[in-house]
Amino acid sequence: GNSVTQMEGPVTLSEEAFLTINCTYTATGYPSLFWYVQYPGEGLQLLLKATKADDKGSNKGFEATYRKETTSFHLEKGSVQVSDSAVYFCALSDLLRGQNTGNQFYFGTGTSLTVIP
Amino acid sequence: KAGVTQTPRYLIKTRGQQVTLSCSPISGHRSVSWYQQTPGQGLQFLFEYFSETQRNKGNFPGRFSGRQFSNSRSEMNVSTLELGDSALYLCASKGWEGEAFFGQGTRLTVV
Repeated sequence: GNSVTQMEGPVTLSEEAFLTINCTYTATGYPSLFWYVQYPGEGLQLLLKATKADDKGSNKGFEATYRKETTSFHLEKGSVQVSDSAVYFCALSDLLRGQNTGNQFYFGTGTSLTVIP
Repeated sequence: KAGVTQTPRYLIKTRGQQVTLSCSPISGHRSVSWYQQTPGQGLQFLFEYFSETQRNKGNFPGRFSGRQFSNSRSEMNVSTLELGDSALYLCASKGWEGEAFFGQGTRLTVV
């Protein structure tokens, strides 16, 4: 079956520190991988995605590379800011593109990040 | 382009009551999924609808049901509420690349 294992939190970093949040997955077939971010009291926002092996997703200074050989999709950022404080979720989808196909997302447990000035 | 809209944002209900939550997907998106988020269980898939038909269903009791209308708007219903149903209920519409776009959620508290 499909599942996502995510690094336990909480993580506390100083501003401008390097961030890594580990994520590994188990999947049948060829899933797409995602990172979502959730701010307090809000829904999930798509941060970045990768749809096939060796793809690198990037957005707002965050990056993650789809590694099929290690079944991993680790999130990294070179220099975090206070505004990056949030909960980060790794997810996979048994991706079927297009509107007329079904899919289901499988989420990790979330990693809470706090960045202190 | 407007995002996914969920109403209401907050609800307080009593045990045994029923509740209906609403979700309007992004214009042009036809697939809507629902998730329950709790501190203990994390994000759990409830069901997915496309063209007014339920395509996938998670492992939830029959008290949880949903439907989708011809304009792709979706509703989720929970009957005979229990304290454990207190959660953030998230709706997502599916983009063309398979990504999910989430609404802000409905915070349900059962007392």
